Amino acid sequence: AQSVSQHNHHVILSEAASLELGCNYSYGGTVNLFWYVQYPGQHLQLLLKYFSGDPLVKGIKGFEAEFIKSKFSFNLRKPSVQWSDTAEYFCAVNLPNRDDKIIFGKGTRLHILP
Amino acid sequence: NAGVTQTPKFRILKIGQSMTLQCAQDMNHNYMYWYRQDPGMGLKLIYYSVGAGITDKGEVPNGYNVSRSTTEDFPLRLELAAPSQTSVYFCASSLQASGANVLTFGAGSRLTVL
Repeated sequence: AQSVSQHNHHVILSEAASLELGCNYSYGGTVNLFWYVQYPGQHLQLLLKYFSGDPLVKGIKGFEAEFIKSKFSFNLRKPSVQWSDTAEYFCAVNLPNRDDKIIFGKGTRLHILP
Repeated sequence: NAGVTQTPKFRILKIGQSMTLQCAQDMNHNYMYWYRQDPGMGLKLIYYSVGAGITDKGEVPNGYNVSRSTTEDFPLRLELAAPSQTSVYFCASSLQASGANVLTFGAGSRLTVL
């Protein structure tokens, strides 16, 4: 079964610091990859997605992620974080040629200090 | 266009009671999902459905049941509530395959079993 690992459970940064959140998945075939964000008191929303093509994908609010197939990774990055980026971030994977499940990682809680 | 609507938002149950969490979407999405979110554990897939009359188990289906009699509705039933089912439940939907489209989430239902 596919699985998703997020290695950072809780990250604390100061404003303007650079961010990288790790995500690894455990399936060797074709994958679709997602990052979702949950701001405090809100429900999950899509940050960005990778289906095919350019492995560097850009999402909302200045976030980007790079799909590295050889490393089974899809790390999320942002050059300069803002206090409003405080949220929980979830990596997710779908196997389009296998089934219709979307499996999520355990999430990374990001806290930005003003 | 309300998106994905979940009811109730909050509920307290006694051990052994039963209840149904309602989920409805008005976007004509054919795929629907139920997840539970527990602190530090991310989102776990309970059940999902690829269309009316079709349901499949996810990662943690025990203690739950679902039905999909219409495209719009995907209720989740707890037959004998247990403390381990205390969680926040999210319903989500997507158009066609979840890999080709993104999930739209409901606002969540917080369930406490005492």
